[in-house]
Amino acid sequence: QVQLVQSGGGVVQPGRSLRLSCAASGFSFSSYGMHWVRQAPGKGLEWVAVIWFDGSNKFYADSVKGRFTISRDNSKNTVYLQMNSLRAEDTAMYYCTRYPGNGRYFDYWGQGTLVTVSS
Amino acid sequence: QSVLTQPPSVSGAPGQRVTISCTGSYSNIGAGYDVHWYQQVPGTAPKLLIYGNNNRPSGVPDRFSGSKSGTSGSLAITGLQAEDESDYYCQAYDSSLSGWVFGGGTTLTVL
Repeated sequence: QVQLVQSGGGVVQPGRSLRLSCAASGFSFSSYGMHWVRQAPGKGLEWVAVIWFDGSNKFYADSVKGRFTISRDNSKNTVYLQMNSLRAEDTAMYYCTRYPGNGRYFDYWGQGTLVTVSS
Repeated sequence: QSVLTQPPSVSGAPGQRVTISCTGSYSNIGAGYDVHWYQQVPGTAPKLLIYGNNNRPSGVPDRFSGSKSGTSGSLAITGLQAEDESDYYCQAYDSSLSGWVFGGGTTLTVL
């Protein structure tokens, strides 16, 4: 079965960096695009970034452009989110999600990892 | 302010039918992009409920159905059950933003 297991969250000071990881199993990882979606405490869902199946294209929400970088290692079945220059407003639960080939939606979600930006 | 607009809350008695609306614009739903729906039990990850306007993934009961018309989508839940109490989010792609957008979410209460 499809599994997305996330790691790397925690508490970090404003301006610092953090890297999230998402290890995939149960499907052909190198055939699927992957996204990151976040949810601030008590708020709704916000799309963050997407990476194509082969890493050839990456797109970001305006709120994180220039600060966050999505990447993947298909040999390790893992997608990453490098978050730099973190701000208080980046505090959220971050989810990695799978991008199916037949539509612009998210069919499987990781368990989530909490990032808290606070001094 | 979310790009897609949903009512903050809806409610219904067990066995009843409820609908949740999702209003977009001509850069997302009205541009022909599909509407998708997710169910989120508080404290857990969202789960895909409806994709491509009206398709249910395997395992989702047929009590859940979706539709799309013009710049709006809608989620209907029939035969309401206590276990349906959750937050529901609609989602589409937006060509002006070149990104994926969500509604603000709707909390369903089963009375």
